[in-house]
Amino acid sequence: DAGVTQSPTHLIKTRGQQVTLRCSPKSGHDTVSWYQQALGQGPQFIFQYYEEEERQRGNFPDRFSGHQFPNYSSELNVNALLLGDSALYLCASSLGWMRTGSHEQYFGPGTRLTVT
Amino acid sequence: DQQVKQNSPSLSVQEGRISILNCDYTNSMFDYFLWYKKYPAEGPTFLISISSIKDKNEDGRFTVFLNKSAKHLSLHIVPSQPGDSAVYFCAASGSGNKLVFGAGTILRVKS
Repeated sequence: DAGVTQSPTHLIKTRGQQVTLRCSPKSGHDTVSWYQQALGQGPQFIFQYYEEEERQRGNFPDRFSGHQFPNYSSELNVNALLLGDSALYLCASSLGWMRTGSHEQYFGPGTRLTVT
Repeated sequence: DQQVKQNSPSLSVQEGRISILNCDYTNSMFDYFLWYKKYPAEGPTFLISISSIKDKNEDGRFTVFLNKSAKHLSLHIVPSQPGDSAVYFCAASGSGNKLVFGAGTILRVKS
């Protein structure tokens, strides 16, 4: 049973560029959440997708956008990259909270983004 | 505004003894709490959770205690093993299952 997978593992970009990160959820899961983890901090919630719609959003600017596909996989896009966007980006999958009331989320290994 | 706080950045424990990791929260709307363990170069791994209608939940060597009046929870690991050495994150969730994490506590179990 494959867990949550993310690609790429590492990425180096220049300020002002755009980046797309990808996530495939754990088998059977239909909800994908994205988190940003800066060095020495806990993960911070960016947004959550369910049924191909953004359902919740954290305190992140519009430069951060996402998409969920019919197969439940998801993308995170960041435009106009800033140095402060350098972080570990984590994807987590879960069963639809509205259907199941389940709070457990299962994380992928993350994508390390470095902005120079 | 840190809604979930882990005030101990690190903890060192002898193998076989008890490890106690603490977490405080401020938002009374949180009704579900989770603990995650993270090794370097890996994503957080779900360990154990507790609903606000309970005050204790056990799973093998791991027990989570919740004190709602104090807005405090703790994770007990008994007995501690060297493989438990990792960063432990406390997380809280309310309506919509968005997780709010603490900054983490580094646990070192010495053999």
